[in-house]
Amino acid sequence: DAGVTQSPTHLIKTRGQQVTLRCSPKSGHDTVSWYQQALGQGPQFIFQYYEEEERQRGNFPDRFSGHQFPNYSSELNVNALLLGDSALYLCASSSGPANTGELFFGEGSRLTVL
Amino acid sequence: AQSVTQLGSHVSVSEGALVLLRCNYSSSVPPYLFWYVQYPNQGLQLLLKYTSAATLVKGINGFEAEFKKSETSFHLTKPSAHMSDAAEYFCAVTNNNAGNMLTFGGGTRLMVKP
Repeated sequence: DAGVTQSPTHLIKTRGQQVTLRCSPKSGHDTVSWYQQALGQGPQFIFQYYEEEERQRGNFPDRFSGHQFPNYSSELNVNALLLGDSALYLCASSSGPANTGELFFGEGSRLTVL
Repeated sequence: AQSVTQLGSHVSVSEGALVLLRCNYSSSVPPYLFWYVQYPNQGLQLLLKYTSAATLVKGINGFEAEFKKSETSFHLTKPSAHMSDAAEYFCAVTNNNAGNMLTFGGGTRLMVKP
């Protein structure tokens, strides 16, 4: 049973560029959440997708957008990259958006913006 | 609004010694509380969770935590540290309104000396 998988694992971009990160949820899960973890800090909630719609959003600008596909996989897009967007981006899946049980996290995509 | 404070960004213990990692939370409604562990270059793994049942919660790898409403605390303990416990530990909070949108603390890096 595959857990949460994310791609790519590492990538380097320059300021102003755009990036797309991908996530496949754990088998049987239908809800995907994205978190940003800056170096030395705890993860911060970006947004959550369920039934192909954004259900909740944290305090992130519109440069951060996402999508969920019919197979429950998800993408995170960041436009006009800033140096401060350098971070580990974590995807987490669960069964249902209101589930206050366990979130299953992927190993993350480490983005470096130069 | 909800928040989490983890006292001590770094904690060092000797192998075999007691591990105590502190977490205080703020929540306007009854909270659900979690401890996650993150090993280097990996995602987050759930250690244990409190969801309004027993106040003393037992998790994996010998860890446990006690929910104390009067102190708004959810400290993580382990009677005897093992070298393999060296990692980053995150406390997180959510509630029925926020669903699985977790708010994380800043993390505590646990170092275990031989």
